[in-house]
Amino acid sequence: ELKVEQNPLFLSMQEGKNYTIYCNYSTTSDRLYWYRQDPGKSLESLFVLLSNGAVKQEGRLMASLDTKARLSTLHITAAVHDLSATYFCAVGTGNQFYFGTGTSLTVIP
Amino acid sequence: KAGVTQTPRYLIKTRGQQVTLSCSPISGHRSVSWYQQTPGQGLQFLFEYFSETQRNKGNFPGRFSGRQFSNSRSEMNVSTLELGDSALYLCASSLFYLGTGTEAFFGQGTRLTVV
Repeated sequence: ELKVEQNPLFLSMQEGKNYTIYCNYSTTSDRLYWYRQDPGKSLESLFVLLSNGAVKQEGRLMASLDTKARLSTLHITAAVHDLSATYFCAVGTGNQFYFGTGTSLTVIP
Repeated sequence: KAGVTQTPRYLIKTRGQQVTLSCSPISGHRSVSWYQQTPGQGLQFLFEYFSETQRNKGNFPGRFSGRQFSNSRSEMNVSTLELGDSALYLCASSLFYLGTGTEAFFGQGTRLTVV
């Protein structure tokens, strides 16, 4: 079974700072997804990364994928309070889908 | 356009009962996948249906089953409920099946409590 590890599990950062969330997975995959979940809410799709070296950016968030290293990163630039949420990566292999443990991000004013 | 609709939003059931949850995908989407979210186990993939066929199933007992209708609406059934089945059940809608790398759009979920 594919294992997906995210770190850190909890992240508290000040507004305006930069930080990176890491997502490591244990076996080959060419599909990596990032989701955001607000408390008590459902998942919101952020990025779908489908090839080695893929980089996508939306606002203050940028995601990248290194399939050789089995690593994806979600970089946060100049954090704002609205980014406070839990972020999940998910890895697709075959027709299965495996989620990371999630990173709970709190942005402090 | 309308998003993914899950009904009901909340359910309370007794151990041993069975429950059926419903998911209506985005119009034109042919794939519906189901997930369980609990504080202890996190998010886990249950199964995916595409064009009325189950494409794959996660590591869950046979008490968890599903089906998909010709209009792509899907139902998930859990029989002989256990306390550990208490969870948020999410469904996601995709244009194509998950193996293609298609983007998945999630519903608001059904919060199931087993007492």
